[in-house]
Amino acid sequence: KQEVTQIPAALSVPEGENLVLNCSFTDSAIYNLQWFRQDPGKGLTSLLLIQSSQREQTSGRLNASLDKSSGRSTLYIAASQPGDSATYLCAVPNSNSGYALNFGKGTSLLVTP
Amino acid sequence: NAGVTQTPKFRVLKTGQSMTLLCAQDMNHEYMYWYRQDPGMGLRLIHYSVGEGTTAKGEVPDGYNVSRLKKQNFLLGLESAAPSQTSVYFCASSQQQGWRTEAFFGQGTRLTVV
Repeated sequence: KQEVTQIPAALSVPEGENLVLNCSFTDSAIYNLQWFRQDPGKGLTSLLLIQSSQREQTSGRLNASLDKSSGRSTLYIAASQPGDSATYLCAVPNSNSGYALNFGKGTSLLVTP
Repeated sequence: NAGVTQTPKFRVLKTGQSMTLLCAQDMNHEYMYWYRQDPGMGLRLIHYSVGEGTTAKGEVPDGYNVSRLKKQNFLLGLESAAPSQTSVYFCASSQQQGWRTEAFFGQGTRLTVV
């Protein structure tokens, strides 16, 4: 069974810092990896989708990398802002259950002014 | 641009009551999913559907039933609610194209069973 782990579970940084969130997965035979953002009491917003053949994907201040062989992905947030405060989730599809996503438990990020 | 819509957004049930959560998507996606999210447990798959008229069990299916009579709708039913089913429920849909699989989520239904 694919296990997805996110480290750290929580992170607090001052505004302006660059930061890295980590995601690891046990089965490297993935189609892609998706990063989501979840605000308190809200749904999941897709941030980035990295194909299995890609190494990086960028959107604005966000950059996600993927290393299938080592079972790792990182989400890099540049010049963090208080509005970035949220929980960040990574997930990989499981072909044995209709490509449903296996999620990590998330990293709760707080960016202080 | 509705995407995935869940109704209701909030509900309080008494133990033993029944209810149905509705998920509707307007993207013509084949695949639909129901997850529950609990503190410390993350998101777990309840049931899923790979097309109209099909359903399958996920990781935590007990106490729930589902139906996919129309391609755009996926219903989650609780026949006899229990306090352990207090959770936030999310519906999602996707169109499977290998690596292009991307899931879209509804805003969630917060259910409390007392």
